[in-house]
Amino acid sequence: EAQVTQNPRYLITVTGKKLTVTCSQNMNHEYMSWYRQDPGLGLRQIYYSMNVEVTDKGDVPEGYKVSRKEKRNFPLILESPSPNQTSLYFCASSKHDSALYNEQFFGPGTRLTVL
Amino acid sequence: AQTVTQSQPEMSVQEAETVTLSCTYDTSESDYYLFWYKQPPSRQMILVIRQEAYKQQNATENRFSVNFQKAAKSFSLKISDSQLGDAAMYFCAYGSNYQLIWGAGTKLIIKP
Repeated sequence: EAQVTQNPRYLITVTGKKLTVTCSQNMNHEYMSWYRQDPGLGLRQIYYSMNVEVTDKGDVPEGYKVSRKEKRNFPLILESPSPNQTSLYFCASSKHDSALYNEQFFGPGTRLTVL
Repeated sequence: AQTVTQSQPEMSVQEAETVTLSCTYDTSESDYYLFWYKQPPSRQMILVIRQEAYKQQNATENRFSVNFQKAAKSFSLKISDSQLGDAAMYFCAYGSNYQLIWGAGTKLIIKP
């Protein structure tokens, strides 16, 4: 089944404790992206990647890191999480190097709470 | 900078009736794409419909259609014959330069 998977689905952590949210897609997509969703703000892009070893900042990259060592994986790293990073996070992928021309496939979301 | 505005935080419609969700955007670009995504309570993001800015013809997908007014920078979604399964958050999104800019969303309630 073609899909984007994220782990964990739910996470409660404390301020300053490094964490990684994994994202993997099995569709051989070039483009992958991370978003955060907050009430009243819609989705905001954190980072995106157009292919292996090619990443770029979105609108809200502060406090996050990403890497794209393999085509299928695009982990999101929070080196020192803070309470303002409490949010719902989505990973998405697209089959073209431009997400704009193709449907983006979304993962199920990760609910992160930072205490 | 591009912005997307959904002015209706919440809408309700009687089952089987038609409802229109509004979206406006601001851009100086001529080539871009517009999307409507649906997010049911399961939180899954689902593409509803897509419109290329260079196409004058409005996109349709079964009961879903858009009214794309490029000059007015308006991109509304019409849902015909509303069904209970249409209850969800609906997000309008603008795509250009490898980024999607999203509106704040409209919660659609379907009354049985």
